[in-house]
Amino acid sequence: LAKTTQPISMDSYEGQEVNITCSHNNIATNDYITWYQQFPSQGPRFIIQGYKTKVTNEVASLFIPADRKSSTLSLPRVSLSDTAVYYCLVGEGDDKIIFGKGTRLHILP
Amino acid sequence: KAGVTQTPRYLIKTRGQQVTLSCSPISGHRSVSWYQQTPGQGLQFLFEYFSETQRNKGNFPGRFSGRQFSNSRSEMNVSTLELGDSALYLCASSPGRFWETQYFGPGTRLLVL
Repeated sequence: LAKTTQPISMDSYEGQEVNITCSHNNIATNDYITWYQQFPSQGPRFIIQGYKTKVTNEVASLFIPADRKSSTLSLPRVSLSDTAVYYCLVGEGDDKIIFGKGTRLHILP
Repeated sequence: KAGVTQTPRYLIKTRGQQVTLSCSPISGHRSVSWYQQTPGQGLQFLFEYFSETQRNKGNFPGRFSGRQFSNSRSEMNVSTLELGDSALYLCASSPGRFWETQYFGPGTRLLVL
């Protein structure tokens, strides 16, 4: 199983760049890496997805090293509204997706 | 496009009862997945339906079942409810392969007394 490991929680300040790293040592060749954001009492919301190297969209960047055993979600200039739980997911070869415990990000003023 | 909708949003049941939750995916999406979220276990995958067929299943007992209709709408049923079934049940839809971008609904919060 391509299990993921993330820090349980992180604190940062408004305006800072936040990097959340996810380990996925058993990632399979066909697996994609996807990050979701979840606010309390809401469903998760897609942030970004990648397969290798770097992907950037309007809200985040995703860095994936060549061995793909880890990935880093980068949130530029965070604000209080970025306080949420962030999940790193790896799609397994047999299509089962496992959500880990996620990283609880707390942005301070 | 309208997002994923789930009904009801809140539900209170007693042990031993059964419950049916409904999910309407985004128009055009053929894959519907169900998740259970609890404080202790986090987000856990229940099952996924695609074109009315269950394509993937998580590690939940047979009391948890689902189905998908020809219009892609899906229902999830839990029979013989237990206290531990109290959770937020989330539905997500995606265009095709379910590990592609999933769009989640707001969830149904189930409380079993």
